[in-house]
Amino acid sequence: QVQLVESGGGVVQPGRSLRLSCAASGFTFSSYGMHWVRQAPGKGLEWVAVISFDETNEHYADSVKGRFTISRDNSKNTLYLQMDSLRAEDTAVYYCARWGDSGSYVYFHYWGQGTLVTVSS
Amino acid sequence: QSALTQPASVSGSPGQSITISCAGTGSDVGAYNYVSWYQQHPGKAPKLIIYDVSNRPSGISNRFSGSKSGNTASLTISGLQAEDEADYYCSSYTTGSTRLFGGGTKLTVL
Repeated sequence: QVQLVESGGGVVQPGRSLRLSCAASGFTFSSYGMHWVRQAPGKGLEWVAVISFDETNEHYADSVKGRFTISRDNSKNTLYLQMDSLRAEDTAVYYCARWGDSGSYVYFHYWGQGTLVTVSS
Repeated sequence: QSALTQPASVSGSPGQSITISCAGTGSDVGAYNYVSWYQQHPGKAPKLIIYDVSNRPSGISNRFSGSKSGNTASLTISGLQAEDEADYYCSSYTTGSTRLFGGGTKLTVL
């Protein structure tokens, strides 16, 4: 079965960096695009970034563009999110999610359980 | 990249039907048939319930249905059950190859 397990969250000071990881299993990781989606405490979902299966395409939400970088290592079945210049408003649970496997493929088919990032001094 | 517009809350009694709207623009909801819907129970990860406007993934009850007209998509839940009480989010692909979510709708089963 598809499993996505995020890690790397924690408490970090404003302006510092953090790297999240998402370990994938149960499917051919190198065949699927992957997303990061976040959810601030008590708030709604916010899409953060997407990377294509072969790393040739990346897209970001305006709120993180220039500060966050999505990447993947298909040999390790792992997705990453490098977060630099962190701000208080980046505080959220960060989920990784996999592309769909039918139709348009552009939806979020499977989700991890999330990792909490808290930006605070 | 403004969020799609959903009602903050809806409610219904067991057995009834409810509809949640999701309003976008011609650059997202209206541009493609790529609207999806997600159910999220408290403390849990979101779960896909509708993709590409009206398709249900395997294992999702046929009580859930989706539709779209112009720049507005809708999710209908028929035969409401207590377990349907959750937050619901719509999402759309955009002309910029990004994704947008709606602000979320809290469904209360009375």
